[in-house]
Parts: sequence; C-alpha cells; structure tokens
Amino acid sequence: DTEVTQTPKHLVMGMTNKKSLKCEQHMGHRAMYWYKQKAKKPPELMFVYSYEKLSINESVPSRFSPECPNSSLLNLHLHALQPEDSALYLCASSQRRLWDRGRSNYGYTFGSGTRLTVV
Amino acid sequence: SQQGEEDPQALSIQEGENATMNCSYKTSINNLQWYRQNSGRGLVHLILIRSNEREKHSGRLRVTLDTSKKSSSLLITASRAADTASYFCATDTGANSKLTFGKGITLSVRP
Repeated sequence: DTEVTQTPKHLVMGMTNKKSLKCEQHMGHRAMYWYKQKAKKPPELMFVYSYEKLSINESVPSRFSPECPNSSLLNLHLHALQPEDSALYLCASSQRRLWDRGRSNYGYTFGSGTRLTVV
Repeated sequence: SQQGEEDPQALSIQEGENATMNCSYKTSINNLQWYRQNSGRGLVHLILIRSNEREKHSGRLRVTLDTSKKSSSLLITASRAADTASYFCATDTGANSKLTFGKGITLSVRP
C-alpha cells in the first residue's frame, strides 16, 4: 500500500459545527503532516507529527486540533471555524528514522485532500 | 512563510518541447524537492535532490541544484499533454524536516 487516504473528500460545515478530517497510511511512515492550501496558493504547513508526537505547530488557531491516535492515523478536529478557513486540507506522510535527528531525505506522500467549505 | 520562488509563474509550450522551470530559495537547505499537482488535488512527489548533489535524473525529469546561487531547475523533456499541472519546488531546511513550498508554476502543454 503506497497511498495516503483522506476522508471525506468534500465537507461543508457551519460555523458552529464540529467535524473531523481523517488521514490514514500503511506505509510505516513515522512522520505525518497537515497542510492547508487556498486556491492558487502553495500548501502551508500546519502541524507535524513525528513518532506520534506533535513536533511542530505553525501557530495554528486552536479551532484546529490535531490528533495522532497511532502510527497509521492522523485526525484534524475542527470546531467553530470561520469562512476564511475554507480551503483544501492535505495530509502527507514521510519516512523517518530515529537517528535522522530531523535531517530526513525522503519525499512526502500526499493524500488527495479534503475540500472544506465553511458556511 | 515561503522559502522557494519559482519562475516563470506560468509556462505554455507545445507537446514534444522541453519545459524548464526554475526555483530560488533563501536559506541553507538539507534537500530540495519538486512536486506536481493536478487540478487542486493531492501533490505527487517527483524528485528529491540533496544539498551535496548537483544533478539528478528520473525518467524525463532532470533536476539541478546550485547551492552557491541557492537555485534549482527542473527540466521536463519531450513534454506531453498529461504533464499539464502546477509544479512546486519545496525546500527542507533540516529543522524537523519541515518542508516549505514555493508559489508554484502552472505548466500548460498544448497537444
């Protein structure tokens, strides 16, 4: 299995709703990432998990709450979002070795993304 | 924050021609990667070049890296209509392997 699977593919939610985005990979990758991408813009990093521990939070508002229940799953819990949070949310994973000490030379595998619309 | 800047921002060529895309970056890197994205969906990893490498090939792709000029180029030879996509360079500075993307180049290959 060489894929990252994201669900749902599309999500429309109200500003008072609570929803979750899910990401799954079975490649044994120990680093997982959430990116946000607005139309015609590059992906912007939100969170990095390394060995199931949050290692980077790019000053993301608390209405976005990541969770890594195990080495194969990554969730992004959404609560009280704003219309400007509408975007494509991308999950990615990459290999990571304990001895890398952050200097990894592996490409990322991205999922197809969840297109989120906040109304 | 963006590290890489690609140029041109948009490129239109005829099928069969070569496409060259450039990327410049600002700080020291561990590696530089190129990705393709079709129609706003997921990104596909194309090629990775490490900071101690100068050139790498993969099929119709050739990437070069000049760390003294902080620049990279991606050459796609014998382009096909299916190569139509957005292309991003991304730099890994080695700090927690944080990958930062450039603004991207839109490539259109006319049949």
